[in-house]
Amino acid sequence: GESVGLHLPTLSVQEGDNSIINCAYSNSASDYFIWYKQESGKGPQFIIDIRSNMDKRQGQRVTVLLNKTVKHLSLQIAATQPGDSAVYFCAENGSSNTGKLIFGQGTTLQVKP
Amino acid sequence: DAGVTQSPTHLIKTRGQQVTLRCSPKSGHDTVSWYQQALGQGPQFIFQYYEEEERQRGNFPDRFSGHQFPNYSSELNVNALLLGDSALYLCASNAGTVYEGYTFGSGTRLTVV
Repeated sequence: GESVGLHLPTLSVQEGDNSIINCAYSNSASDYFIWYKQESGKGPQFIIDIRSNMDKRQGQRVTVLLNKTVKHLSLQIAATQPGDSAVYFCAENGSSNTGKLIFGQGTTLQVKP
Repeated sequence: DAGVTQSPTHLIKTRGQQVTLRCSPKSGHDTVSWYQQALGQGPQFIFQYYEEEERQRGNFPDRFSGHQFPNYSSELNVNALLLGDSALYLCASNAGTVYEGYTFGSGTRLTVV
């Protein structure tokens, strides 16, 4: 079935280092991808998105890379801060053109001071 | 500008009961989607409402139903509650285009005992 998977369940980094969170997706028809951050007790917060006609997109301290050949997505966070500690989800739109999102299980990012 | 608001924040129900959860979309958004997030998992798509009709549905039984009102707000109803329905229920809204990052509310934590 459709699925979005994450390579590592937990990532621990030192404050100030760069973080890379990876994601594999299975539906080659997906043409839209989103990274969300979810803090404890809160809903997912939009970080950055990318469409399949791009392979890189940058935001403030974050970069998303898309490799359609191997169906891989990554989120890079520069100069990771304690406030970045959260669970990160990648999501794809699958073969849907109506907005259904398929989420992975999430990667927990722990930032050590 | 208010984002997506959900009520109630927490809810405890007994097996077999029925529950109604409510969502007000972000200003300017006309599409509402509902997700179920079990502990330690990514959100799972339940269904989406647009123009007061269910536009797409995920793999959830008919016990899960919904409604969208003319002001775009929405309700999620779950009948004959099971222990396995305990989860965080998230509402997401967007402005209709499938290539826009969807805004999530903070969710309703439902506990079935």
